[in-house]
Amino acid sequence: GESVGLHLPTLSVQEGDNSIINCAYSNSASDYFIWYKQESGKGPQFIIDIRSNMDKRQGQRVTVLLNKTVKHLSLQIAATQPGDSAVYFCAETSRATDSWGKLQFGAGTQVVVTP
Amino acid sequence: DGGITQSPKYLFRKEGQNVTLSCEQNLNHDAMYWYRQDPGQGLRLIYYSQIVNDFQKGDIAEGYSVSREKKESFPLTVTSAQKNPTAFYLCASTHRDRNQPQHFGDGTRLSIL
Repeated sequence: GESVGLHLPTLSVQEGDNSIINCAYSNSASDYFIWYKQESGKGPQFIIDIRSNMDKRQGQRVTVLLNKTVKHLSLQIAATQPGDSAVYFCAETSRATDSWGKLQFGAGTQVVVTP
Repeated sequence: DGGITQSPKYLFRKEGQNVTLSCEQNLNHDAMYWYRQDPGQGLRLIYYSQIVNDFQKGDIAEGYSVSREKKESFPLTVTSAQKNPTAFYLCASTHRDRNQPQHFGDGTRLSIL
C-alpha cells in the first residue's frame, strides 16, 4: 500500500478471517521481495520472502504472491489472529551491483484484528 | 541466542550535541545497515556497510556518520548537522553472498531535549 502523509492505510479484519495486504513496486529490475511485520516500538520481523523466478510461496499461515507483469506483491494471512495486529511492510531489492542489498521499503499497512 | 542488539533504547539529544547509537550483531553477518523511520512512514536508508572498514551513503546520509572497525559492530553518530534527528533508528544485518532477508534490531528512539 501507499501512505498518505502520516496516516497509514489500515486493514480491519475480523479474527478468524483471511487478510490480504497489497504492495505495488516500481523497479522492474527488482528480483527479491520480502514481507516484514512490525509491532509497536519494535524492529521489523521477517515473515516471508520470494524471488522473481517464483510467483507464489507459502509459509505457515502466510502466502506471498508476486505478479511481475503489473509489479504487484501481496501477502495473505490465513485465519487472522489478534497477534497478527501490526504494521506490515513490503521491501524489494535487486542483485545489480550498484544496489546490492539496498532494500526499498513500502510505507506499510496497519492491520487491526477485531474480535 | 543470535541477534542484533541496539542500545540505548531511548536517547535524548541537546542542541549542538553529537550522539552515538550502538549496533552489535552476533550473527556473523557481513553487511550492516542503518535506517531511519518517521511516524507512519517506511524505512529510509542512512548508511550501509558490506565489509569491515568500508561503508556507503544511503539515501539520507547528511548529518550522520558511521564506522565499521569490527564485523560485529556498526555504530551510527547523529551529528549536530542533522537538524531534524527525532526519529526511530533501526539497525539491520545480512549475509552478503546470497539473497537473504535483513534482520533487524529493536531500534533506538532519539528525541530532542
